[in-house]
Amino acid sequence: NAGVTQTPKFRIPKIGQSMTLQCTQDMNHNYMYWYRQDPGMGLKLIYYSVGAGITDKGEVPNGYNVSRSTTEDFPLRLELAAPSQTSVYFCASSYGWGNGYTFGSGTRLTVV
Amino acid sequence: AQKITQTQPGMFVQEKEAVTLDCTYDTSDQSYGLFWYKQPSSGEMIFLIYQGSYDEQNATEGRYSLNFQKARKSANLVISASQLGDSAMYFCAMREGAQGGSEKLVFGKGTKLTVNP
Repeated sequence: NAGVTQTPKFRIPKIGQSMTLQCTQDMNHNYMYWYRQDPGMGLKLIYYSVGAGITDKGEVPNGYNVSRSTTEDFPLRLELAAPSQTSVYFCASSYGWGNGYTFGSGTRLTVV
Repeated sequence: AQKITQTQPGMFVQEKEAVTLDCTYDTSDQSYGLFWYKQPSSGEMIFLIYQGSYDEQNATEGRYSLNFQKARKSANLVISASQLGDSAMYFCAMREGAQGGSEKLVFGKGTKLTVNP
């Protein structure tokens, strides 16, 4: 039971670099999400998807892009890494029946 | 305006005692859901308990219960018989709209619970 797998666990990109955070789930969940958590704060929604081929912006989408070509995968792309994107990123998925999400273990990103 | 408010940045409790973590929410939807998550120092997010807006009884899951007061728009988490392993950040979250929609969650800023031996 892998659940939601995020890679990498840590990443230290330089300012201006592009990079992709990977997220895959093996539970056949339709709904997938990317959140970021800044120190001492709750989680804020970046992008979400309600199914393959369908994505939409969340509360803080600027500087990020996503795609959902399959049910399993929902990668998050940072086009031009900026210090403001230093955060912990969580991917999550759900059935869509209101009984909670399954979260990945997170990716700690530090832009230098 | 914040949709989820957790007014207690930190709480302390003695082992084996009960503790209540406060959460108030703001929504105009009739159908919504309320969640509590635990985040230990290791960083993962652990789902604890869920309450639907139409559920008539307060949700319970083992030592966790949710004190749901709809008129007051509050959804407090009660942890009974606290254990040292309960020390963690606790987040309240809300899903607005009916099940089967976007299922987006809005999170509060969290409460850090410390259980003292």
